[in-house]
Amino acid sequence: ETVLTQSPATLSVSPGERATLSCRAGHSISTNLAWYQQKPGQAPRLLIHGASTRATGIPARFSGSGSGTEFTLTISSLQSEDIGVYYCQQYNDWPPWTFGQGTKVEIK
Amino acid sequence: EEKLVESGGGLVQPGGSLRLACRVSGFGLSSYSMSWVRQVTGKGLEWLAYISSSSATIYYADSVRGRFTISRDHAKDSLFLQMNSLRAEDTAVYHCARCQYDVDSGSYYFFDLWGQGTLVSVSS
Repeated sequence: ETVLTQSPATLSVSPGERATLSCRAGHSISTNLAWYQQKPGQAPRLLIHGASTRATGIPARFSGSGSGTEFTLTISSLQSEDIGVYYCQQYNDWPPWTFGQGTKVEIK
Repeated sequence: EEKLVESGGGLVQPGGSLRLACRVSGFGLSSYSMSWVRQVTGKGLEWLAYISSSSATIYYADSVRGRFTISRDHAKDSLFLQMNSLRAEDTAVYHCARCQYDVDSGSYYFFDLWGQGTLVSVSS
């Protein structure tokens, strides 16, 4: 099973500032990584797949990078509507498809 | 609008059974593989089960194999999860999710559409 470790657990960022979230895989997963956003009381929403490809309708302030074992999700200018929990998910080695434990993004 | 709506959750005693349903709309269920993913309140996401578009291939997480059964009915535009021998640790919100093939990398699957989920509580 491929373990994904996200950091930090909680990220407090001022509006308009940059938010940087990390996801580390236990072994190389190429670029087979997706990022999801989950707002309170809502279903997860796909943000990024292929480590860096934005899903349809996702604002340009969200960007993903990385390959192998180290991945980053960046929100270039945090908006109030971006608060929630962000999860990474690998689809290189399956089953099982695995998720990180999540990073909670809050407004400072 | 493409949509997934789960139903069938509720309170059940340990050892009991429930059958969850996921009704799809706005797209053809027969064209997609599907999965169930659960989320313990305040915790992360756990993939549980996968079924291919034709039902020919099915996978389960170790935590539910032998107790849960995934199935689909295209005539009813629905995906199902039969849950038997339920335990307290199965208490969670259960989401259905559409599996999407990554055309750039040729890899399977990320989840491009999710339902809101249905709450299953296992308690005496």
